[in-house]
Amino acid sequence: NAGVTQTPKFRVLKTGQSMTLLCAQDMNHEYMYWYRQDPGMGLRLIHYSVGEGTTAKGEVPDGYNVSRLKKQNFLLGLESAAPSQTSVYFCASSTGQGANTEAFFGQGTRLTVV
Amino acid sequence: RKEVEQDPGPFNVPEGATVAFNCTYSNSASQSFFWYRQDCRKEPKLLMSVYSSGNEDGRFTAQLNRASQYISLLIRDSKLSDSATYLCVVLLWGSNTGKLIFGQGTTLQVKP
Repeated sequence: NAGVTQTPKFRVLKTGQSMTLLCAQDMNHEYMYWYRQDPGMGLRLIHYSVGEGTTAKGEVPDGYNVSRLKKQNFLLGLESAAPSQTSVYFCASSTGQGANTEAFFGQGTRLTVV
Repeated sequence: RKEVEQDPGPFNVPEGATVAFNCTYSNSASQSFFWYRQDCRKEPKLLMSVYSSGNEDGRFTAQLNRASQYISLLIRDSKLSDSATYLCVVLLWGSNTGKLIFGQGTTLQVKP
């Protein structure tokens, strides 16, 4: 019963390095999201997807790219990491619309950029 | 201005107290509303959806006022286990369909 799985769970990057965070869900959800969480800032939406092959910008998209080539996977890329991207990253998926929609989250990826 | 705003707190209350959290949202295209709970360094989890008519789940009551673009959460008879951060969440419709926006969260500490 995996739900939403994020890999890796922890990572330390040097400034300028690139990396990809993987989010996988096994609930056949259409909607997927990437957030970052910094102290006192709550969760801020980076990018989201409303279906396979679609992506859209969230509140803080700069410095990140995403792809949704398969319905179950949503990838977040950092092309050239900066210390300001040190954060906890959460992925989520949901069925989409409606008052009873529930978003399920992965356990988070703790990224440090030095 | 953030699309969803909450008083960050912290709210420090004794066990058994009643505590209320407020949230305002700015986008009139907001379709659905939720309260999530987040424990320290863990992922957020759905606490309850918020319906226009108001809804209750045990000690928790949620209210929505679409005219004022205001959402509230009331916790009665607080327990130590209620200590957490409570996140107000809005799901958008229209040109931003599917966009799920979180407030910055309100921290609750329930003390013996």
